[in-house]
Amino acid sequence: QVQLQESGPGLVRPSETLSLTCSVSGASIKSYFWSWIRQPAGKGLEWIGRIYSSGSTNYNPFLKSRVTMSVDTSKSQFSLKLTSVTAADTAVYYCARGDNGYNMEDYWGQGILVTVS
Amino acid sequence: DIQMTQSPSSLSASVGDRVTITCRSSQTVTIYLNWFQQKPGQAPKPLIYTATTLQSGVPSRFSGSGSGTEFTLTISSLQPEDFATYYCQQSYSIPFTFGPGTKVDIK
Repeated sequence: QVQLQESGPGLVRPSETLSLTCSVSGASIKSYFWSWIRQPAGKGLEWIGRIYSSGSTNYNPFLKSRVTMSVDTSKSQFSLKLTSVTAADTAVYYCARGDNGYNMEDYWGQGILVTVS
Repeated sequence: DIQMTQSPSSLSASVGDRVTITCRSSQTVTIYLNWFQQKPGQAPKPLIYTATTLQSGVPSRFSGSGSGTEFTLTISSLQPEDFATYYCQQSYSIPFTFGPGTKVDIK
């Protein structure tokens, strides 16, 4: 059974760096792409970007200058760093697995609320 | 970026009703259109990918259609567990983008 679990601080100070990790079980991290998506309270979904096991990335241009994603295949984990955060970055952050054939995020973590304050 | 719109933004329906949600993209996404269901406090659940293919385990009362720039999600007979918010997403072009959502609630 594929499972994803986000971890990291729930509170980040303005101007600092948000750092989250997603731990993957039940699937090879080498066979898919891995995405981050966020959702401010009461609002819609925003795609942050994705990373392949090779380290290749695609970022949303809206956040590109502040985002870095990385992957650790030995630990079956991938990570998100978002620099210079503001209150507008307060959201539930989801990690997800993406299927290369269909380009769809088919398994999602439960989400982690990150508050910038 | 490809902009996604959904209509209606919300609807009220009864158990057993047929419900249709429309999603439009600002440019063609061919068939790379996905649908998700989200309930309060939960992660989005994948329902349909490549416009028409049902994700494993999703009930057959859900169906998707369309290609290019116009797509629909249909629930043939609404069940109590279907009251939720539905999002479309294009995965044709980076950045992937979501529609604003359609909230389905009880009439």
